[in-house]
Amino acid sequence: DTGVSQDPRHKITKRGQNVTFRCDPISEHNRLYWYRQTLGQGPEFLTYFQNEAQLEKSRLLSDRFSAERPKGSFSTLEIQRTEQGDSAMYLCASSRIGVGPGELFFGEGSRLTVL
Amino acid sequence: AQSVTQLGSHVSVSEGALVLLRCNYSSSVPPYLFWYVQYPNQGLQLLLKYTTGATLVKGINGFEAEFKKSETSFHLTKPSAHMSDAAEYFCAVSEGSGTYKYIFGTGTRLKVLA
Repeated sequence: DTGVSQDPRHKITKRGQNVTFRCDPISEHNRLYWYRQTLGQGPEFLTYFQNEAQLEKSRLLSDRFSAERPKGSFSTLEIQRTEQGDSAMYLCASSRIGVGPGELFFGEGSRLTVL
Repeated sequence: AQSVTQLGSHVSVSEGALVLLRCNYSSSVPPYLFWYVQYPNQGLQLLLKYTTGATLVKGINGFEAEFKKSETSFHLTKPSAHMSDAAEYFCAVSEGSGTYKYIFGTGTRLKVLA
């Protein structure tokens, strides 16, 4: 069990550029989640997958954000035409399918700074 | 819709004193409730969770929480604070019925004074 890994850990970009983050969940975990966390706030739900299916996406999420999990393993989160307000820590988490919601295992996050 | 409110964004206690971090939730169905801890420069990790059954839940590092349906609360306690407990604590709720998303509170930063 190598844990949830995220890449890159830090990304600095200029406004208007596209960025992509990758998340590798724990291998036997079927569910994968993306959250965003800004300073002094709790994790804000963005979207989650069960296997390769994207089951829910936050209604507050801009169309500039898109996530995929093509083979039900790793996932990518892309932000197009970045804005300064996108600066945040992007967290990935995974969990097993079980009876009811189980424990989320979090990665250490990818920090995005938009200049 | 589910939501979580954590009262007190910052809590300070003396070493050895009782720790009480407050969490109130809103859910249209019986909730699943969680407390996570985040140490500096680390990912969130689970402290404890309530699913069904016993309303007093024990977690790691001496923490426990009690589910009180009538008060819609899930407060986190520890009888005696240790310096190593200094961290940010997040309460979360998941309905587990039709959706498996988790909603987190805004967090409480715990400071432990020597």
